[in-house]
Amino acid sequence: EPEVTQTPSHQVTQMGQEVILRCVPISNHLYFYWYRQILGQKVEFLVSFYNNEISEKSEIFDDQFSVERPDGSNFTLKIRSTKLEDSAMYFCASSDPDRVNEKLFFGSGTQLSVL
Amino acid sequence: ELKVEQNPLFLSMQEGKNYTIYCNYSTTSDRLYWYRQDPGKSLESLFVLLSNGAVKQEGRLMASLDTKARLSTLHITAAVHDLSATYFCAVDKGGSEKLVFGKGTKLTVNP
Repeated sequence: EPEVTQTPSHQVTQMGQEVILRCVPISNHLYFYWYRQILGQKVEFLVSFYNNEISEKSEIFDDQFSVERPDGSNFTLKIRSTKLEDSAMYFCASSDPDRVNEKLFFGSGTQLSVL
Repeated sequence: ELKVEQNPLFLSMQEGKNYTIYCNYSTTSDRLYWYRQDPGKSLESLFVLLSNGAVKQEGRLMASLDTKARLSTLHITAAVHDLSATYFCAVDKGGSEKLVFGKGTKLTVNP
């Protein structure tokens, strides 16, 4: 079965540094998402992306965050100046154009640790 | 604001027993999802429920949706150890792209 792939699986960074988390969505999917999960807590929506632009974002997704689809296959999340509270598992997800029976496919996640 | 409440948050049960996890949500929704998460792993999609009265079954798990009551249930039949995981429900707010997740139910099935 096709899958969403994320790299790296683990990222350790110093506070204030920039990080880029990478995702390759399923090839025919058109909707892309980032979610995060702080250890032991629920999964939280960050942003959705469609047709090369942000379609919705949450309060968490402030000016420190940005997303990009630099080519036909990658989808990235950039955090410009990381904070300790950005430490979390970040999941990329994608869904196909069939909106009637939409299923969201999640990647295996990037565990971000900010020191 | 859409809120999703799951209960119980922790569930310890013996193999062979039946149990139900409940998911309540606060506003009208287009879709309800159930996901499974093993420790340190990603979210595995179990069910997508689209309409009132929808019922889906896969193995020992059965999910149902009552949109009038804003309630979904995940029923576990004759539990086995392999079902031990955290189960999340998530609701798609109508007209919105985002899913709102419940806090999850950590299920432990003891031999």
